[in-house]
Amino acid sequence: AQSVSQHNHHVILSEAASLELGCNYSYGGTVNLFWYVQYPGQHLQLLLKYFSGDPLVKGIKGFEAEFIKSKFSFNLRKPSVQWSDTAEYFCAVNAPGNDMRFGAGTRLTVKP
Amino acid sequence: DTEVTQTPKHLVMGMTNKKSLKCEQHMGHRAMYWYKQKAKKPPELMFVYSYEKLSINESVPSRFSPECPNSSLLNLHLHALQPEDSALYLCASSQRWGAPVSTDTQYFGPGTRLTVL
Repeated sequence: AQSVSQHNHHVILSEAASLELGCNYSYGGTVNLFWYVQYPGQHLQLLLKYFSGDPLVKGIKGFEAEFIKSKFSFNLRKPSVQWSDTAEYFCAVNAPGNDMRFGAGTRLTVKP
Repeated sequence: DTEVTQTPKHLVMGMTNKKSLKCEQHMGHRAMYWYKQKAKKPPELMFVYSYEKLSINESVPSRFSPECPNSSLLNLHLHALQPEDSALYLCASSQRWGAPVSTDTQYFGPGTRLTVL
């Protein structure tokens, strides 16, 4: 079964700083990759997803992620964070025919 | 419309109570899921329903009993819960589950925050 690792437990940034959150997965076959965000007190929302094609995926709110197959990675990036980006970010992997697995999550705190 | 609704938003129950959580989607999705999320942890899959049939039970205790009365509704019946069952219970849906080549996205509801006293 696939597994997902998120390297950073808690990231603290100042507004306008650039963001990169790491995500690695372990599965040798075709996978679908997702980033979800959970704002304080709110439900999980889909930020972006990768199924196939261009490995650079653009999502909502200025986020993007790059799928690097050789590194089994799907890192999330944003060039300039805002205070409103403060949230928990979950990477998730879904191998066809298998269940979705979530990483442990990265808590992002953006200082105004 | 990518909305999954869940009721109630909050639920407090004693260990001898019987209660139910409800989930509804009108996106025509044929796969529905229950997840449990403890504070500062990722969601953990509990059950998967595919075409109204239970497809996955992740070794969940029998005090949790899922039910899928039709393709739009998913219930989770609770009985004799323990305080450690207190958590956020999330419902999700996707077009399909378990297909050999799946490009399905799961859409999550807002959750029911359950407290067991």
